[in-house]
Amino acid sequence: NAGVTQTPKFQVLKTGQSMTLQCAQDMNHNSMYWYRQDPGMGLRLIYYSASEGTTDKGEVPNGYNVSRLNKREFSLRLESAAPSQTSVYFCASSELGYTFGSGTRLTVV
Amino acid sequence: GENVEQHPSTLSVQEGDSAVIKCTYSDSASNYFPWYKQELGKGPQLIIDIRSNVGEKKDQRIAVTLNKTAKHFSLHITETQPEDSAVYFCAARVANNDMRFGAGTRLTVKP
Repeated sequence: NAGVTQTPKFQVLKTGQSMTLQCAQDMNHNSMYWYRQDPGMGLRLIYYSASEGTTDKGEVPNGYNVSRLNKREFSLRLESAAPSQTSVYFCASSELGYTFGSGTRLTVV
Repeated sequence: GENVEQHPSTLSVQEGDSAVIKCTYSDSASNYFPWYKQELGKGPQLIIDIRSNVGEKKDQRIAVTLNKTAKHFSLHITETQPEDSAVYFCAARVANNDMRFGAGTRLTVKP
């Protein structure tokens, strides 16, 4: 089992560009999450999806959109990237404890 | 909402010594408390967890204790090894999709 797979691993964007971060899990989990990790601030929830077809905002949703494409896949979209969105992004899925992907390191210049 | 505070932010110990990381939470409804280890360039990995109806749980060199009255829980690592060096995060869950994380502790184990 691969667990949670995120792509890409690294990305550099110019301010104003858009991109989609992809996430897929093979554990048949209902819940999926997108977090961002910034130095000294731990992990902050951007959006989550409790089940296929539902999505909800987390702590820091501004500037992001998500799509729960099916039970396996949960994507995060930045429509117009800003330097403040430079961060490491983690996708996770869970039944109880979370299983995290290996992260996407995004730099917006 | 839930607020989780974690201390210390950095911890350096000699190989073989014990390490203790402490977290406090604010919402008495929190019922699940996992700990994650994050190595450089990787995602956080669950290492141990405890539910609110249990006071202590142990897994080899790692143990977690929970004091519901004081709203704090701690991670204890005994006989530390260099491979224990990583960033450790505590978390507290209030509802099914409301998990709040501490800011992390960078543990360094010196050989």
